Amino acid sequence: GAVVSQHPSRVICKSGTSVKIECRSLDFQATTMFWYRQFPKKSLMLMATSNEGSKATYEQGVEKDKFLINHASLTLSTLTVTSAHPEDSSFYICSARQGRLDEQYFGPGTRLTVT
Amino acid sequence: GEDVEQSLFLSVREGDSSVINCTYTDSSSTYLYWYKQEPGAGLQLLTYIFSNMDMKQDQRLTVLLNKKDKHLSLRIADTQTGDSAIYFCAESILGTYKYIFGTGTRLKVLA
Repeated sequence: GAVVSQHPSRVICKSGTSVKIECRSLDFQATTMFWYRQFPKKSLMLMATSNEGSKATYEQGVEKDKFLINHASLTLSTLTVTSAHPEDSSFYICSARQGRLDEQYFGPGTRLTVT
Repeated sequence: GEDVEQSLFLSVREGDSSVINCTYTDSSSTYLYWYKQEPGAGLQLLTYIFSNMDMKQDQRLTVLLNKKDKHLSLRIADTQTGDSAIYFCAESILGTYKYIFGTGTRLKVLA
């Protein structure tokens, strides 16, 4: 089946530094990738939609200069949290969509802790 | 607007049936999904239903969709302790491929 990986699974960084999270589709080409953020005991909140070779579309209230998304190939999207603050600590999950199909395949998530 | 609501908690005894409910407001959804999330893990797709269907059964899982009332439910038959997790419904919005997730229901199965 369709597998999506994320790296790293956990990361701890200091305030003010930047962190990059990778999302890869392992056995299919992803037309679109999505980035979600999940606060403890809360639902998933869509942050942005990313299409290969074009700029990401950010949801209302998400700072595009803080959460940089690059979708360089059909199998890789990266989310960079710039100048991280403790309030950026969260669980970040990516998903990928294949071709014209509706279903999204989810990665295992990355837990970011900013100290 | 887009808003998907679920009850926060459900507790059942092992062997009983669990019914998790979801209400949504956007009538342009194409597919509706149920996902399971275990602690610290990503999302596992359980099942889905196309918006023009009213029922789908998949082994222990039964999905009911009442499009008029914008109500979706997931019934788990013979609930096991391994079913303890958070369950999210999600609707896929026509023309966007975006998912709107519900608030999540934490299911606790008592042995």
